[in-house]
Amino acid sequence: DAGVTQSPTHLIKTRGQQVTLRCSPKSGHDTVSWYQQALGQGPQFIFQYYEEEERQRGNFPDRFSGHQFPNYSSELNVNALLLGDSALYLCASARGLLLDGELFFGEGSRLTVL
Amino acid sequence: KNQVEQSPQSLIILEGKNCTLQCNYTVSPFSNLRWYKQDTGRGPVSLTIMTFSENTKSNGRYTATLDADTKQSSLHITASQLSDSASYICVSDVDNYGQNFVFGPGTRLSVLP
Repeated sequence: DAGVTQSPTHLIKTRGQQVTLRCSPKSGHDTVSWYQQALGQGPQFIFQYYEEEERQRGNFPDRFSGHQFPNYSSELNVNALLLGDSALYLCASARGLLLDGELFFGEGSRLTVL
Repeated sequence: KNQVEQSPQSLIILEGKNCTLQCNYTVSPFSNLRWYKQDTGRGPVSLTIMTFSENTKSNGRYTATLDADTKQSSLHITASQLSDSASYICVSDVDNYGQNFVFGPGTRLSVLP
């Protein structure tokens, strides 16, 4: 049973470019959340997708957008990259929107913006 | 403002020793308290999940406690191993519209031989 898988694992972009990160949730999970984790800090919630809709959103600008596909996989898009967008981007999946379930994280995509 | 604080920021112990990590949360309404272990550059892995009515939960050498009255939690690691070297993140669920989880900054634990 594959867990949460993310791609790519590492990537380097320059300021102003756009990036797309991908996530496949754990088998049986239908909710996907994205987090940004700067070096030495805890993850910060970006947004959550369920039934192909953005259900909740954290305090991130519109440059951060996402999508969830019918197979529950998800993409995170960041436009007009800034140096401050350099971080580990984590995807987490869960079953439904119930909060008492376990949240499974992927290994993350390390984005470096030069 | 919903917030989770952790102490100490970092900790160094010798292999075989015990340690306790602290977490204070100001989250409303509160539902669950979670502890995660995160190896450097990897995704967090769940250690424990406690509801507001639970006082303690164990997972092998890891034991988490929760005091909902004082809004404090601790993670006790027994007989530490080199593989315990990681960041330990305290996470509080927020049971309202908006962000589901509030993450603490983590405690960086280094276990030395």
